[in-house]
Amino acid sequence: QKEVEQDPGPLSVPEGAIVSLNCTYSNSAFQYFMWYRQYSRKGPELLMYTYSSGNKEDGRFTAQVDKSSKYISLFIRDSQPSDSATYLCAMSAPGGKLIFGQGTTLQVKP
Amino acid sequence: SQTIHQWPATLVQPVGSPLSLECTVEGTSNPNLYWYRQAAGRGLQLLFYSVGIGQISSEVPQNLSASRPQDRQFILSSKKLLLSDSGFYLCAWSVVRADTEAFFGQGTRLTVV
Repeated sequence: QKEVEQDPGPLSVPEGAIVSLNCTYSNSAFQYFMWYRQYSRKGPELLMYTYSSGNKEDGRFTAQVDKSSKYISLFIRDSQPSDSATYLCAMSAPGGKLIFGQGTTLQVKP
Repeated sequence: SQTIHQWPATLVQPVGSPLSLECTVEGTSNPNLYWYRQAAGRGLQLLFYSVGIGQISSEVPQNLSASRPQDRQFILSSKKLLLSDSGFYLCAWSVVRADTEAFFGQGTRLTVV
């Protein structure tokens, strides 16, 4: 079993839709949770990070963590074509080692 | 501010040839350093990470090795490339704590022919 599971998609939505991206994990030692966005042929860039259960909002993006269920989500409101990218969840184990999900490819159609 | 440099951006190498990819970080000291590989349509696979000079941990047995000759320099190497070594290689750094995010370079796309 992989430590982090993420549906690779692809996920295609119309412009303006609410997007929900999810990851599950098995290692209860993970303490820090991140979402990265990666455009084609580029390095990932950090979108959001959180270290506790609950919600964290930043503009159109909301990160949600449920440690009891070992489940994290990223919601994108009012999605735009410029949001089309691959979204990777990542989790930090003790010692600072990051483990990534497979990434979900998102396409927002005008 | 901190920056990370990774080069080259693109590389085409024949099977059996050596490899050396370099990554340097500026604006911080004693960072954690990472090498990841991303196959087409796949997630990031952690190859090596380092918490200090000369301290390298390998995550996956493979044809590659890593070295950290200086605090902010991380090198990925191979003596003889295989076709299966093709992929997108990413260097990253983070502050030395368990609860912090990592920052990535722009990656090297390696094609072994």
